[in-house]
Amino acid sequence: KNQVEQSPQSLIILEGKNCTLQCNYTVSPFSNLRWYKQDTGRGPVSLTIMTFSENTKSNGRYTATLDADTKQSSLHITASQLSDSASYICVVSEYSSASKIIFGSGTRLSIRP
Amino acid sequence: EAQVTQNPRYLITVTGKKLTVTCSQNMNHEYMSWYRQDPGLGLRQIYYSMNVEVTDKGDVPEGYKVSRKEKRNFPLILESPSPNQTSLYFCASSPGLAGGFSTDTQYFGPGTRLTVL
Repeated sequence: KNQVEQSPQSLIILEGKNCTLQCNYTVSPFSNLRWYKQDTGRGPVSLTIMTFSENTKSNGRYTATLDADTKQSSLHITASQLSDSASYICVVSEYSSASKIIFGSGTRLSIRP
Repeated sequence: EAQVTQNPRYLITVTGKKLTVTCSQNMNHEYMSWYRQDPGLGLRQIYYSMNVEVTDKGDVPEGYKVSRKEKRNFPLILESPSPNQTSLYFCASSPGLAGGFSTDTQYFGPGTRLTVL
């Protein structure tokens, strides 16, 4: 069964510190992987997308990595800000003509001043 | 402003009382989709639509209906809501197919929190 597992479930860090969120997946065949940010009370917003051939993708202070061989991805946040407090969701698409998308359950990140 | 809108944002209803959650996008997107989000679970797709008059079931379609009579609108209908449909619902749109081969970005609405008593 295609799955997307994220860790940790929740994380608290101090403002200005860096952190890394993990995503492991079993989706096969693989098409692409996205990271979304979901603020409380809002819909998810896309941060990055990586296809099979891409190892790293950056969006400002957010850097995503992908290892398609081990089926792992990470999202690194540099110099965290209070506005980074949100849930971060890993989403993997299956390589097919259908609308096959599998969402992880997310990591809840809290930034403390 | 390019956006996906949903109404209502909050709804409390009783078992069996039919309801409709509206979704509208102003980006001329072909693809629209409905998801539900429950604690501890990832978003799960309910229905999606590739274009006007074309809809298909997602992973959890039971108890829901949709229609796509116009490109911009994609309402979600609960004919006889039950307590297990209490959830946070999101509508999303993208230029083309979301998922699969496509790398199109999905744009999500603000969500509708539904409680069925």
